[in-house]
Amino acid sequence: EAGVAQSPRYKIIEKRQSVAFWCNPISGHATLYWYQQILGQGPKLLIQFQNNGVVDDSQLPKDRFSAERLKGVDSTLKIQPAKLEDSAVYLCASSLEGVSNQPQHFGDGTRLSIL
Amino acid sequence: SQQGEEDPQALSIQEGENATMNCSYKTSINNLQWYRQNSGRGLVHLILIRSNEREKHSGRLRVTLDTSKKSSSLLITASRAADTASYFCAGGDSSYKLIFGSGTRLLVRP
Repeated sequence: EAGVAQSPRYKIIEKRQSVAFWCNPISGHATLYWYQQILGQGPKLLIQFQNNGVVDDSQLPKDRFSAERLKGVDSTLKIQPAKLEDSAVYLCASSLEGVSNQPQHFGDGTRLSIL
Repeated sequence: SQQGEEDPQALSIQEGENATMNCSYKTSINNLQWYRQNSGRGLVHLILIRSNEREKHSGRLRVTLDTSKKSSSLLITASRAADTASYFCAGGDSSYKLIFGSGTRLLVRP
């Protein structure tokens, strides 16, 4: 089966600019996650979708971050405006269902650098 | 906040040796998972152990779970250079959320 697809792989922008990341999960996976991984740390959940509804966005900085999954398949994460502290790898993952006892399948991420 | 804390933060061993990584977690879980991350890549699921299990094996991997001590260990036997990666534990609670630790960086020297 095809894995989780993410693009772009790398992005360099200046602070206060905007950026968008795209994710296409594994076919048939109802649940989609966006994580932020800062260098040297583990992934931190930003937002979780079940089909096209939001399950958890408690750690999403909503003043600058937004995400959508309009048709319950692919998803876009946007940052506007970007801050230096947003430099990180943004990982997308998917699972069959949104329960913690299922493995999550990760894409290779988008590495964001803020100048 | 991080659920799990891995120990050690970094580990360097010779090919053929065994590698042991430990994970401690803070809150109640119903399962604990281990993931591997190669440099520049996403995380790959390795193994899941449920809270009512004490030990689980998968190929060269052996995972233990001690819920009374809120700790888990991952043992990789007969390590290979290809095992060089970062390893993360993630605790799953009774709902939907996985919370990842900060990882152990493993270097296997040829």
